[in-house]
Amino acid sequence: QSVLTQPPSVSGAPGQRVTISCTGSSSNIGAGYDAHWYQQLPGAAPKLLIYGNNNRPSGVPDRFSGSKSGTSASLAITGLQTEDEADYYCQSYDSSLSGSVFGGGTKLTVL
Amino acid sequence: EVQLLESGGGVVQPGGSLRLSCAASGFTFRTSAMSWVRQAPGKGLEWVASISGSRGGSFYADSVKGRFAISRDDSKNTLYLQMHSLRAEDTAIYYCAKDPLVQRSAGDWFDPWGQGTLVTVSS
Repeated sequence: QSVLTQPPSVSGAPGQRVTISCTGSSSNIGAGYDAHWYQQLPGAAPKLLIYGNNNRPSGVPDRFSGSKSGTSASLAITGLQTEDEADYYCQSYDSSLSGSVFGGGTKLTVL
Repeated sequence: EVQLLESGGGVVQPGGSLRLSCAASGFTFRTSAMSWVRQAPGKGLEWVASISGSRGGSFYADSVKGRFAISRDDSKNTLYLQMHSLRAEDTAIYYCAKDPLVQRSAGDWFDPWGQGTLVTVSS
């Protein structure tokens, strides 16, 4: 059971927009700690996609965006492409656990 | 270009020990906080441990506290994870990752990540 809750899977057709939610609590996202997002392609290491709730590292397309509200964060992907098929993880800090925590991951399928 | 290269994984019996290494290049290692994150086969990501740069402190997940020790040799640009009393549930790919700041902080993210090294705990 992950501290941050993500839907196990989402899907969309090429060109469409999808969102992935990350629900936390008052000891992590709701306490004001930032949410970060990672993309993990099949067989590869995770790659940072969004940091500090809504910032993209250099090289990440602007099709990817992040937001945060209350105890939740969201990742939006517009103009879906087949190469976006991957697992996506959110991450934050939890004050009760005194450490970084991850969501359980969401598998994105591009139909 | 920042590069992280893990090594030291393998098969170990329950109760055994193993030391992982992560060779870093392309950035000023001694002033960077570093972390270990693991991923059990077919499962999600789990933060394991972090260590601050510039002789700062170390931090551990409850699941490994007292059994694992994170350390660094700044003269060799290398991060370590010494693992003792290994259990079947420690079986995972272990990734090392760079934190954004010198001192480990609550807002930290991980970027970049190494390619990982597989640890299998089995008799």
